[in-house]
Amino acid sequence: AQSVTQPDIHITVSEGASLELRCNYSYGATPYLFWYVQSPGQGLQLLLKYFSGDTLVQGIKGFEAEFKRSQSSFNLRKPSVHWSDAAEYFCAVGRTNTGFQKLVFGTGTRLLVSP
Amino acid sequence: GAVVSQHPSWVICKSGTSVKIECRSLDFQATTMFWYRQFPKQSLMLMATSNEGSKATYEQGVEKDKFLINHASLTLSTLTVTSAHPEDSSFYICSATWVAGGYYNEQFFGPGTRLTVL
Repeated sequence: AQSVTQPDIHITVSEGASLELRCNYSYGATPYLFWYVQSPGQGLQLLLKYFSGDTLVQGIKGFEAEFKRSQSSFNLRKPSVHWSDAAEYFCAVGRTNTGFQKLVFGTGTRLLVSP
Repeated sequence: GAVVSQHPSWVICKSGTSVKIECRSLDFQATTMFWYRQFPKQSLMLMATSNEGSKATYEQGVEKDKFLINHASLTLSTLTVTSAHPEDSSFYICSATWVAGGYYNEQFFGPGTRLTVL
């Protein structure tokens, strides 16, 4: 069965510092991979997705992620964190190859940004 | 992006009563809506997929008689938690999308509904 592991429950980063959130997936075929951000009182927002092609994916808000098949990873990065980036981040894998269907989410990583 | 709303944002009810949660796509027509449940410190778990005009498809382990889903129009789906008990207390999230040619477009998520059953 497909699964997603986000090993870090909490991460604290200083404002202006770089960020990397880890995500490992388990899936038999080429996965559809996603990163979402959840802020209090708001719905999950898609940051970026990987379906195929270039393994370095650019997203919104200055985020990027790199798909590494050999490591079954899809880590999220940002070169300089802003206080407004404090939120919960979820990695997800699609269970089918029909786009945004049957998403399996990781347990999330809460990002805290210190001044 | 497209906007999805949920109502109510939070609800408290007594054990044994039923609660209805609405999910609306405000600026697009949603052929498909998904319902998730999120426990504290845990991930979102897909409960069911509902297609407009059809019966919902429930994930394994989800009681379809407990969680009634109706998707009567292209902009509204409802989740009714019947005979709610304290273990049904959770954060319920819906998402909406449209399907074209068998391909599911981006899911747009509602802000969630916090259900507390006393």
